[in-house]
Amino acid sequence: DAKTTQPTSMDCAEGRAANLPCNHSTISGNEYVYWYRQIHSQGPQYIIHGLKNNETNEMASLIITEDRKSSTLILPHATLRDTAVYYCIVRFLLTGNQFYFGTGTSLTVIP
Amino acid sequence: GAVVSQHPSWVICKSGTSVKIECRSLDFQATTMFWYRQFPKQSLMLMATSNEGSKATYEQGVEKDKFLINHASLTLSTLTVTSAHPEDSSFYICSAPPGASYGYTFGSGTRLTVV
Repeated sequence: DAKTTQPTSMDCAEGRAANLPCNHSTISGNEYVYWYRQIHSQGPQYIIHGLKNNETNEMASLIITEDRKSSTLILPHATLRDTAVYYCIVRFLLTGNQFYFGTGTSLTVIP
Repeated sequence: GAVVSQHPSWVICKSGTSVKIECRSLDFQATTMFWYRQFPKQSLMLMATSNEGSKATYEQGVEKDKFLINHASLTLSTLTVTSAHPEDSSFYICSAPPGASYGYTFGSGTRLTVV
């Protein structure tokens, strides 16, 4: 699976949009981009995933560049409960494939 | 839907004893489950892949005789930490894939403390 690079930490003001970048320059054509987050002492929570088109759900938006070498997760109105470590993972869409986690971005939402 | 239940949420055991952690898929069947370990301030590290009806596949450097995995049914996988030592103290998390179109679902984790 392709390696990802994320900033170690970011701050965001409550109520503002949080934009979390991820670089995955070695991604292959069939690999998807997944985003998970982990709130302290809990299991990771699925946020969103996509292949090449931008995606939006009730939690966030995923913007993937045209060359697919990077993506941005957008939390449109960050709340204090969004404080967590956010992981960007690229992998093939096969049920038996495991997820390998990188170091992620520690997002702190500031009141 | 797609809930993975992990039990216990925390456990304290004496050095040298064994501890069993259960991971159940509540509303779907999982032929494959994954076990992770996470040390403080570190990322999740994949330990092994649990396969229903067959032997687990362990990641390099993970002792299969120490971390026994059993996947006896389509909804239950167990991880047994044998002869636990303080260095085994960690946060253990399981996950399972509800389907190819979904993100994997993770359990809430088990905090193991060996004293």
